[in-house]
This record gives sequence, structure tokens and C-alpha cells, in this order.
Amino acid sequence: AQTVTQSQPEMSVQEAETVTLSCTYDTSESDYYLFWYKQPPSRQMILVIRQEAYKQQNATENRFSVNFQKAAKSFSLKISDSQLGDAAMYFCAYRSAWGAQKLVFGQGTRLTINP
Amino acid sequence: DTAVSQTPKYLVTQMGNDKSIKCEQNLGHDTMYWYKQDSKKFLKIMFSYNNKELIINETVPNRFSPKSPDKAHLNLHINSLELGDSAVYFCASSPGGGQDTEAFFGQGTRLTVV
Repeated sequence: AQTVTQSQPEMSVQEAETVTLSCTYDTSESDYYLFWYKQPPSRQMILVIRQEAYKQQNATENRFSVNFQKAAKSFSLKISDSQLGDAAMYFCAYRSAWGAQKLVFGQGTRLTINP
Repeated sequence: DTAVSQTPKYLVTQMGNDKSIKCEQNLGHDTMYWYKQDSKKFLKIMFSYNNKELIINETVPNRFSPKSPDKAHLNLHINSLELGDSAVYFCASSPGGGQDTEAFFGQGTRLTVV
């Protein structure tokens, strides 16, 4: 079974600075997807960024980028120019490319932005 | 215009009661899910339906029974509620079939059992 581990329960960063959230996963599959979801206090789960395992190029969405290391099974999220609205719980998630397409989540990292 | 909507958003009930949470998606997706987020914020799959057929049933007490009357709806009925059932329950949907896209989540239902 696949597992996802986020080893940082809490992180904090100064506004406008850069922060990196860590995620590692364990799988024997070669095809899969990785996601970062954001959960603000409103509780809504919001997709931040997605990475396909077959793509070597790291995904980027505006201020958000990932460092995907397939051999190391590592998938970190970098947030540049942090803004107050980035404060939230961040979840790393894994999904198989085929079969039952459930998301397997990490434990989450609570990100605080200091003004 | 909400893509995945759940009702109610909040539910407070006494132990032993039976309650239902409803979910509807207007995205035309084939697959729908129920996830549970516990008090430590950990999210875990409970059930998944594809075109009204149950395809995932994780280790969930049989007091929980999902029902999918059509592929746009997936309801969750819980019998004999217990204190430990208190959590946030999320409905989600995705196209399914190995398509390359993410799951869309509802806003969650916070269930409190007293």
C-alpha cells in the first residue's frame, strides 16, 4: 500500500519570503500522480499543484513550484513571495494512475505567514 | 454553480441517532468519493463509487452506508452515531477512468456527536 509522509507538522515564514514544505512517499508503482492541496480555515480543499510521475519537468503554478525527485520518492512544495493568504494546512497526496483512484494523503503541514 | 455541494455544512446530533449527509456534483464526473478528516486533520478515503457502483470500501464500520442513486449524487448514511464519528466528512468527485485530472472537493460537513 502507498504511504505519504509529511515530516513537518508546522512551518512558519515571513511575508514575502520563500518556504519549502517536504513530502515523501512510498510506492512500488511507476505511474502515478502527486498533488499538493491547501486547506484554509474555511475548510475547503483547494488544489495547489499537480505532478505526473512520467514527467521529469517540475510543475509550476505562479508562485508555487515543486521539486519532484522520483528516485528518492520526494515531492516538496516551494512557495515564493509568501502572502498572508497562503496561511493554511497543506496536504501532499498520492494517486495511482490506474485502478481505484483514491487519494492517499500525508498528515499535513500547518503553514503560518508572519507579517 | 458550486461544482461539488454537500448538505448540511454542520451537523450536531446525539449519540445513537441516525443521520445522512448528501452530496451532489454538477461536473459530469463518473467517480465520487467520501473522505473523513479526523480531529488531527488526517484525511482518509472511506468509499468510492463509479457510475453508481461501489469500487472502494475501506475499513469502515458497517454503520456507515453510502448510497448513489445516480452518478451525480452520493449520500452517506450513518446509523447509531458514536462519539468517535465526530469529524469532517468530505465528498469529492473526479472523471475517473485514469483521466489525468484532480479530484474536486465539497466544502465538507462537520459532524459533532454529543
